Amino acid sequence: AQSVSQHNHHVILSEAASLELGCNYSYGGTVNLFWYVQYPGQHLQLLLKYFSGDPLVKGIKGFEAEFIKSKFSFNLRKPSVQWSDTAEYFCAVNTNTGNQFYFGTGTSLTVIP
Amino acid sequence: DVKVTQSSRYLVKRTGEKVFLECVQDMDHENMFWYRQDPGLGLRLIYFSYDVKMKEKGDIPEGYSVSREKKERFSLILESASTNQTSMYLCASRKLRGGTEAFFGQGTRLTVV
Repeated sequence: AQSVSQHNHHVILSEAASLELGCNYSYGGTVNLFWYVQYPGQHLQLLLKYFSGDPLVKGIKGFEAEFIKSKFSFNLRKPSVQWSDTAEYFCAVNTNTGNQFYFGTGTSLTVIP
Repeated sequence: DVKVTQSSRYLVKRTGEKVFLECVQDMDHENMFWYRQDPGLGLRLIYFSYDVKMKEKGDIPEGYSVSREKKERFSLILESASTNQTSMYLCASRKLRGGTEAFFGQGTRLTVV
């Protein structure tokens, strides 16, 4: 079975700091990659996704992620976080041949004003 | 606008009760999923369905069953609720396999006492 690892469980940053959240997956074939965000009390929402093409993808709210195939990684970045980015972030993977989504354990981000 | 609706936001049930969690999507999606979300464990797949009356076990199916009699509706059943099934339950749907994202409902916070 596939697995998705998010190494940062809790991250605390001050406003305007830069963010990078790590995501690694284990699967040798073609994958589709996603980052979801869950704001307090809200449902999971898609931040960005990668299917093919340019490995640097841009999402909503200034987030971006880079797919590095050789490292099986899809790290999420934002150059300057805001208090409103406080949320839980989940990396997810699925394959073109499969129906399942595999999620990481999530990273809780707290941004201090 | 895309919508996945879960019938209850909060439920409190007694140990041994039979519990039904309902999910409806209005996007004509083929795939539907049930996850449970627990702190530190992320999202774990319970069951998914790729068509009416079709289902497959996910990673943690024990103690659960599902029903999909209509394309838009996917029900999760706890045959005999136990306290270790206290959790947040998330329903999701997506188009048939390929590089498409999953859309999530608001979640049902189930407490078994």
